[in-house]
Amino acid sequence: GAVVSQHPSWVICKSGTSVKIECRSLDFQATTMFWYRQFPKQSLMLMATSNEGSKATYEQGVEKDKFLINHASLTLSTLTVTSAHPEDSSFYICSAIEGRGRETQYFGPGTRLLVL
Amino acid sequence: GDSVTQMEGPVTLSEEAFLTINCTYTATGYPSLFWYVQYPGEGLQLLLKATKADDKGSNKGFEATYRKETTSFHLEKGSVQVSDSAVYFCALPTGGGNKLTFGTGTQLKVEL
Repeated sequence: GAVVSQHPSWVICKSGTSVKIECRSLDFQATTMFWYRQFPKQSLMLMATSNEGSKATYEQGVEKDKFLINHASLTLSTLTVTSAHPEDSSFYICSAIEGRGRETQYFGPGTRLLVL
Repeated sequence: GDSVTQMEGPVTLSEEAFLTINCTYTATGYPSLFWYVQYPGEGLQLLLKATKADDKGSNKGFEATYRKETTSFHLEKGSVQVSDSAVYFCALPTGGGNKLTFGTGTQLKVEL
């Protein structure tokens, strides 16, 4: 149980285009999802917290107009990287918490984005 | 603020060697503590957790004991395998809202 999927797993795009990444909880309802960014050989950097039906809460220094997050249902959150540039190339990972009052995060397999 | 400090890697061991990866924390109160593992090219998987002092989390031969007197949560395994090669992250919930603060990660490489 507690499986989280991400799609796509790999994406290559041209500079200036927008890319949407989906995060789904497959066998549970996720009231809260998180989006992280990871640079090579580094730890995870939390970008934003996404709660179903409300606006995402962004961490300091993360551009909300650049990284659009939508948590439209209890099983789906999307991250859209708008007008992507090479510096946005990274490994993006989502996680989800099952139900309210829980603290264990279940992570997706990650999406590797390469912007040319 | 709350933080986690992990031993620096990479750690290289021979198969069947004993593993210890140190993790110490600074926190207000007694939060739950987690170890996550990241295999090459993948997301993180929850390895084990402990929710209160003196609890021992265990999974797949890995163990970690929540020690409040030393504010530590060291990860141990008695006999590592090549398949254990991965990056291991210690983490604790912080800032309310179930955010996680991660350590820097420790890369483990197990050789035959």
